[in-house]
Amino acid sequence: AQTVTQSQPEMSVQEAETVTLSCTYDTSENNYYLFWYKQPPSRQMILVIRQEAYKQQNATENRFSVNFQKAAKSFSLKISDSQLGDTAMYFCAFMKHALNKFYFGSGTKLNVKP
Amino acid sequence: DAGVIQSPRHEVTEMGQEVTLRCKPISGHNSLFWYRQTMMRGLELLIYFNNNVPIDDSGMPEDRFSAKMPNASFSTLKIQPSEPRDSAVYFCASSLGPRDTEAFFGQGTRLTVV
Repeated sequence: AQTVTQSQPEMSVQEAETVTLSCTYDTSENNYYLFWYKQPPSRQMILVIRQEAYKQQNATENRFSVNFQKAAKSFSLKISDSQLGDTAMYFCAFMKHALNKFYFGSGTKLNVKP
Repeated sequence: DAGVIQSPRHEVTEMGQEVTLRCKPISGHNSLFWYRQTMMRGLELLIYFNNNVPIDDSGMPEDRFSAKMPNASFSTLKIQPSEPRDSAVYFCASSLGPRDTEAFFGQGTRLTVV
């Protein structure tokens, strides 16, 4: 079975600073995908960034980047230059290759302070 | 495209009543998912369809829950009879197909059973 663990229930960061959200996962699969989803107060789940396990290069999307450590089964999200609009719940998720079923972590509530 | 559309956004019902949640996936998407989000259990996959056929319903909690997808543009999740422990936010999501990793979520239906 796949499990995804987010050990930080809540975090705060000052606007314009950098914050890192942690995620670890457990799987026996070799080929899979990892995701970070954002859920603002509007409830909408929004894809932030995606990483293919077979790619060694860490994914980046503007101010968002990941640190993917396959051997350690770690997938952290770094948000640079934090903005007030980044305030949201962030969910780490795992998906096996060719089976688009997500396994989600419990989420980290991020509060960006002005 | 307007994205994945769910209705209603909020539903309050009395214990024992039948509840039907509705979802319209993005046009052209062949995979549809129903998720449930609670504080205790986080985001859980209830069922997913591929080309209108249920592929994995192992997450459906019990016989009180049923899901249908009569055509490519409409799906329902029904709870009969409803119980207070069914109170949660129910999300519908769709993706292009079983090998596509990007899922688009609706805004969810917040169900309260009193």
